Amino acid sequence: AQKITQTQPGMFVQEKEAVTLDCTYDTSDQSYGLFWYKQPSSGEMIFLIYQGSYDEQNATEGRYSLNFQKARKSANLVISASQLGDSAMYFCAMRESGGSNYKLTFGKGTLLTVNP
Amino acid sequence: DTAVSQTPKYLVTQMGNDKSIKCEQNLGHDTMYWYKQDSKKFLKIMFSYNNKELIINETVPNRFSPKSPDKAHLNLHINSLELGDSAVYFCASSPFDNEQFFGPGTRLTVL
Repeated sequence: AQKITQTQPGMFVQEKEAVTLDCTYDTSDQSYGLFWYKQPSSGEMIFLIYQGSYDEQNATEGRYSLNFQKARKSANLVISASQLGDSAMYFCAMRESGGSNYKLTFGKGTLLTVNP
Repeated sequence: DTAVSQTPKYLVTQMGNDKSIKCEQNLGHDTMYWYKQDSKKFLKIMFSYNNKELIINETVPNRFSPKSPDKAHLNLHINSLELGDSAVYFCASSPFDNEQFFGPGTRLTVL
C-alpha cells in the first residue's frame, strides 16, 4: 500500500487565486512528520513546510499553509495568492519514527501550473 | 555558501562503466541520504548514513556502494552501469529528525 498518496497528477490555477494540493498518508506510528517540497523545472528540491504529528496548530510559512487533519490522515498544502513562479512539481513526504531511520517517503507529486 | 553540493551535475556514460557522484554538506548535519528520482519524477530513498554509519539500505543493487569518509561527505559509487540506472540522483542532509536539505541533483544518463 502506498504510504503517501497524491491524487492530483496535475492542477491548474489562475494567478492570484488560492489552490489546495491534496495529500493523504498511511502510518501506524504515533510520531511522524509531514513535509512538502517544491521542485521547479530547474530541478532542485525546495523545502516548503513541515507539520509534526503532535503539533496542535496547522503549520504556516508565508503563503503556504498545511491543512492537517489527523483523523483523516490528510496533510493538504494550501498556496494562497498564486504566483507564476509557483508553477512546479509539488511533493508531499512523510517521515515515520523508528530509531534513527529518518528517511522520507514521497508521494508521486502534483504538477501545478499557474496561469496568467 | 552552498549548503549541500554534488558533483558532477551531469554525467553521461556508457553501459558497463563505473562512475562516482560526490556529495558534501557544510551544515554540520549528522545524517546524509541518497535518493533516486526516476523518469516519472518518483523519488525513492536509496541509502542513509548517520555519523558515517550506514542506517538505511533500501533494496538497492549491490552495484551501488555508498561511502562516507566523514560526516560531511557521502559519495555514491556505481559499478557496471546499466540503462535503468539513468535518473537524477539527489543527495540530502538533515539535522536529527528535521527537514532534509537537498543538493542540486546529478543527472545520470547511461547510453
